[in-house]
Amino acid sequence: GENVEQHPSTLSVQEGDSAVIKCTYSDSASNYFPWYKQELGKRPQLIIDIRSNVGEKKDQRIAVTLNKTAKHFSLHITETQPEDSAVYFCAASSPGSNYKLTFGKGTLLTVNP
Amino acid sequence: ETGVTQTPRHLVMGMTNKKSLKCEQHLGHNAMYWYKQSAKKPLELMFVYNFKEQTENNSVPSRFSPECPNSSHLFLHLHTLQPEDSALYLCASSQDRLSETQYFGPGTRLLVL
Repeated sequence: GENVEQHPSTLSVQEGDSAVIKCTYSDSASNYFPWYKQELGKRPQLIIDIRSNVGEKKDQRIAVTLNKTAKHFSLHITETQPEDSAVYFCAASSPGSNYKLTFGKGTLLTVNP
Repeated sequence: ETGVTQTPRHLVMGMTNKKSLKCEQHLGHNAMYWYKQSAKKPLELMFVYNFKEQTENNSVPSRFSPECPNSSHLFLHLHTLQPEDSALYLCASSQDRLSETQYFGPGTRLLVL
């Protein structure tokens, strides 16, 4: 089955700096890659996703890049703000796994004012 | 947010108790999911229902019993749980099984004594 590795497990940055979180996946047939943000005590919320037919997607300060050859994808947050502090999860799914989402272990991002 | 709701939000139970978790979605979706979230582990998919039919049981012990009476409601019946079952139980929904974008509820924080 699919295996998703996420790094780093914790990340601390100064406000205004950029943050990058990386994930690798094992199933070359995976074609959908969402990123979820979970603030303390709250539900995971989808913040951005990308499909395998594109290499990059942006939404304001958030961007995701996908390298299908290397089987990795990354979340980029620019101009970080304290409210970006949360746990971020990557995930991958493929038709072969019945579109089941396989999640990474999460990255705790702390943005220091 | 009221798209996916879960009750109760917190639950403490003994190992001999029987309790049920409830999930309701108001998004008109046809697929619903139960996940287990434990510290320092990836989100674990437990069960999937699509149009009220269970389509996946991810090797979950029989002390967890799901029920999906209609596309809007999902239950997780608990009995004779173990302390290691203490976790955050998250419900999610998606348009259908082939729609990867999932929307999560706030979760039930379960403590088994």
